[in-house]
Amino acid sequence: EVQLVESGGGLVQPGGSLRLSCAASGFTLISYNMNWVRQAPGKGLEWVSYISSSSSTTFYADSVRGRFTISRDNAKNSLYLQMNSLRDEDTAVYYCTRGVMATISGWYFDLWGRGTLVTVSS
Amino acid sequence: QSALTQPPSASGSPGQSVTISCTGTSSDVGAYNYVSWYQQHPGKAPKLMIYDVSKRPSGVPYRFSGSKSGNTASLTVSGLQAEDEADYYCSSHGGSNNLGVFGGGTKLTVL
Repeated sequence: EVQLVESGGGLVQPGGSLRLSCAASGFTLISYNMNWVRQAPGKGLEWVSYISSSSSTTFYADSVRGRFTISRDNAKNSLYLQMNSLRDEDTAVYYCTRGVMATISGWYFDLWGRGTLVTVSS
Repeated sequence: QSALTQPPSASGSPGQSVTISCTGTSSDVGAYNYVSWYQQHPGKAPKLMIYDVSKRPSGVPYRFSGSKSGNTASLTVSGLQAEDEADYYCSSHGGSNNLGVFGGGTKLTVL
């Protein structure tokens, strides 16, 4: 089955760190660019970060740049998001999403995980 | 405040058609044919419904269609069905300064 499964969410204090993981199965991860998208409770979707298929290129939303780091291990079929200096406003469900294939141009998220909840609170 | 502007709500009766707009700028929606639309039911992950402005992924009903004119994209749902009641989000490539942008979402109610 083609799927993405996130893990690593939980409760963390402001200023703390957390590392999210995303396990991909049913497809060849190295063939795709990948992203993290988040959704605060009762709010809309917010794109967080992008990583190219070979890890050569990364991008971040202004709200997380300098605090979050996206990475991937294609051999382990895994995507990661290291989150440091967490703030209350980072509280959200974090979705691992599959982007376009590395060989084409485009911008969309065609496969989503179920998400993992990150709560930043003292 | 979201980068793309959507109406907060839309509604229609079963069988009717409804159109949801998504307004951006010449730096995102107007600059790229990379508008996508997502459907999200309560408590569920979003689902891709339209990509590259007007393309439908396999399995998405023909009732869903997309278009774009200038800086505004639109999602039209024809022949509304009860299961279409959900939140809908548009997204666009925003250039290297803001790679991915979303709209604030539109809650579609089937009356």
